Amino acid sequence: EPEVTQTPSHQVTQMGQEVILRCVPISNHLYFYWYRQILGQKVEFLVSFYNNEISEKSEIFDDQFSVERPDGSNFTLKIRSTKLEDSAMYFCASTAGGNYGYTFGSGTRLTVV
Amino acid sequence: KQEVTQIPAALSVPEGENLVLNCSFTDSAIYNLQWFRQDPGKGLTSLLLIQSSQREQTSGRLNASLDKSSGRSTLYIAASQPGDSATYLCAGWGSGAGSYQLTFGKGTKLSVIP
Repeated sequence: EPEVTQTPSHQVTQMGQEVILRCVPISNHLYFYWYRQILGQKVEFLVSFYNNEISEKSEIFDDQFSVERPDGSNFTLKIRSTKLEDSAMYFCASTAGGNYGYTFGSGTRLTVV
Repeated sequence: KQEVTQIPAALSVPEGENLVLNCSFTDSAIYNLQWFRQDPGKGLTSLLLIQSSQREQTSGRLNASLDKSSGRSTLYIAASQPGDSATYLCAGWGSGAGSYQLTFGKGTKLSVIP
């Protein structure tokens, strides 16, 4: 069964450093997403990406966040200057559309120290 | 703004019991509803997708229903097994045109006791 692949599985970074989280969505999917889950809290929407541009973003997705699809397979989330409160599990997801359901990756646990 | 609530927050049952997990949402214009399973420290595994025109979906021992008018969905698990122990999340798809954003509940943590 096709999978969404995320790397790395765990990343530790110092406050103020830039991090890039990487994802390879399912190849025939059209919509790509980043969600995050702070420990013990709900999974929260960050951003959606369709047709090579951001289609929706949440209030969390401020200027320190950016997304990119640099080639036909990778989808990245960049956090420019990490803060302690950015520590969370970040999930990439993709879907072929409303009739097909979401597929999530296994997540990247980001720890900012 | 869509809000999703799941009750109960935690549930412990003996093996073999049938059980129901509840999910409620505030915006009845929800597009789809999807149930996920999350094991500790792991990703989200899709269990069932109920499309906007459907009322229920079944997969093996799982059955999910959707009543948009009352803002409720239920996940029924038959003959529970210890391997079913996990957190179950429901998520509503966005109600705006072309919006597929998911809004999650906080989940129900299920423990099935052998």
